[in-house]
Amino acid sequence: QPVLTQSSSASASLGSSVKLTCTLSSGHSNYIIAWHQQQPGKAPRYLMKVESSGSNNKGSGVPDRFSGSSSGADRYLTISNLQSEDEADYYCETWDSDTRVFGGGTKLTVL
Amino acid sequence: EVQLVESGGGLVKPGGSLRLSCAASGFTFSIYSMNWVRQAPGKGLEWVSSISSTSTYKYYADSVKGRFTVSRDNAKHSLYLQMNSLRAEDTAVYYCARDHVGSPEGNWGQGTLVTVSS
Repeated sequence: QPVLTQSSSASASLGSSVKLTCTLSSGHSNYIIAWHQQQPGKAPRYLMKVESSGSNNKGSGVPDRFSGSSSGADRYLTISNLQSEDEADYYCETWDSDTRVFGGGTKLTVL
Repeated sequence: EVQLVESGGGLVKPGGSLRLSCAASGFTFSIYSMNWVRQAPGKGLEWVSSISSTSTYKYYADSVKGRFTVSRDNAKHSLYLQMNSLRAEDTAVYYCARDHVGSPEGNWGQGTLVTVSS
């Protein structure tokens, strides 16, 4: 089954941009992934799916500041014009025929 | 507006049982696969179980296989998770989630806390 690898933490300044990475394990580089955001003390929120081509479709209400892209086995979530409310844990997820897998999550700190 | 409301969590002793429910509204429940995902205190997200729209397919994480059973009642717009032989490591917030695979987007409930302790 696929494995997803994420950096445990990231930080960026208010108003800047940050690019979070989710890496698919060998043999799974063509998999679609989904990004979820979890603000402190809240339930997760679906953000978008990102395909190997880089195309992505965002959930309703997700700001345009959030975008997804892809390169090889890496799937990215870029957040532009960082806001304080973007400080959260970000999880990527992928799936196979009979299983789902989450990455370990990246804790984003907005400085 | 899509709403998913979990209930049924609580404190249970090791070896005990609990049944979680998830009440869905704001979308055509019967055409979506649904998932249970849990999060242990201070930890990341862990997929628990999935069920297809007509209950034909049910999948489980290895960590709960043989102990947990997922089910749904499309007439009642409800999803369930029967948890038996509970262990301390099952302590977590359990989230109900509308599947995003094959759908424009996914949605999460607010979660219900299950604590397994003597």
